[in-house]
Amino acid sequence: DQQVKQNSPSLSVQEGRISILNCDYTNSMFDYFLWYKKYPAEGPTFLISISSIKDKNEDGRFTVFLNKSAKHLSLHIVPSQPGDSAVYFCAASESTSYDKVIFGPGTSLSVIP
Amino acid sequence: GAVVSQHPSWVICKSGTSVKIECRSLDFQATTMFWYRQFPKQSLMLMATSNEGSKATYEQGVEKDKFLINHASLTLSTLTVTSAHPEDSSFYICSAIGQGVGQETQYFGPGTRLLVL
Repeated sequence: DQQVKQNSPSLSVQEGRISILNCDYTNSMFDYFLWYKKYPAEGPTFLISISSIKDKNEDGRFTVFLNKSAKHLSLHIVPSQPGDSAVYFCAASESTSYDKVIFGPGTSLSVIP
Repeated sequence: GAVVSQHPSWVICKSGTSVKIECRSLDFQATTMFWYRQFPKQSLMLMATSNEGSKATYEQGVEKDKFLINHASLTLSTLTVTSAHPEDSSFYICSAIGQGVGQETQYFGPGTRLLVL
């Protein structure tokens, strides 16, 4: 049973436009949500996180929105750049110390110049 | 930022042999390290959680006698795939959290690609 879902395996966006990556979860005990970016044959790189007490967190071009009642979060990248092309993983944790993080299946983003 | 290294980055071995993968936190002390595996075009699956000086906690379905984890110091954890078989071929990634710079999130190593012939 997949606790973190990313229903779009891939997404293509024009350079300069907004990229929106979606994520849904089923476990109501999740308290922290994270987004990671991953290039092939490399480990994931932390991008941005959000606590369940917030509904928005922004860091430069990256904004994460959380709708706890819908168990849904999204990552907005604006403006999108070709270097953003990678696989993006949504992840969730029950604890503040990130004891155990459950990853979604990932969305492959292609930003077209 | 915090740096986590893995060694080796690539390993090819014959079926039946054992392979050891090292995970090191280079600039912080990692009280907890995690081991994941990733199959092609799939997500990262947590295998086990390793705390320094204690036995690892394995996820359901992961054989602890097959995947031996040792976290002997605050900067080093090792994963040994014992009697490796072709189905163990995968991308193994470690991550670490700990005191100081590595505290706020998990920092991932670059991964180790294992191919068992």
